[in-house]
Amino acid sequence: ETGVTQSPTHLIKTRGQQVTLRCSSQSGHNTVSWYQQALGQGPQFIFQYYREEENGRGNFPPRFSGLQFPNYSSELNVNALELDDSALYLCASSPLFPVGLAYNEQFFGPGTRLTVL
Amino acid sequence: AQKVTQAQTEISVVEKEDVTLDCVYETRDTTYYLFWYKQPPSGELVFLIRRNSFDEQNEISGRYSWNFQKSTSSFNFTITASQVVDSAVYFCALSANYGGATNKLIFGTGTLLAVQP
Repeated sequence: ETGVTQSPTHLIKTRGQQVTLRCSSQSGHNTVSWYQQALGQGPQFIFQYYREEENGRGNFPPRFSGLQFPNYSSELNVNALELDDSALYLCASSPLFPVGLAYNEQFFGPGTRLTVL
Repeated sequence: AQKVTQAQTEISVVEKEDVTLDCVYETRDTTYYLFWYKQPPSGELVFLIRRNSFDEQNEISGRYSWNFQKSTSSFNFTITASQVVDSAVYFCALSANYGGATNKLIFGTGTLLAVQP
């Protein structure tokens, strides 16, 4: 286990609704990344939060938004849900993020499976 | 642009057979990292290996081995004497470390490996 937790495990929503997914990062990590994994596809980068600010974003519309809290936990919010938002949502936390050549390893949580009807 | 291609969608083998999963990547960065992850039916991503672009040495870990060739932009993964427990989806991923700005992962579409008893 990585020490990264996500809640809820499963979620069912209807089109047009809003959803909030939560991620608790591993102790000592101050960076959280979110990924969307549609059925039969690889995970796709949504965005990353570093020290409570967005630090990079993938090709997702503004209705996907996030927050990072002082304790480095994070939320992913999706407004106006669409059927195509049905996916496994993965968060990954990273340790301290100094500039340099060393890679900051990402540790993945178990994911939240969202179904939009 | 960065891209990871896993041309094999599904592979089925009989237990004890050797199997190689192919991965081809594209990046213009000189410093980058390559990864393999395993995703069992439970959904959690299990980290298997990370290699950086400056280290082309092949690696062996038990029944697993990896062949990294920059000349062909490939990072192939071989399982020797496969077992039923190896059945999972395997993802190859790429990360270019933009001076520490972000460590986002770009995943391939995955290869579903089915090991039959």
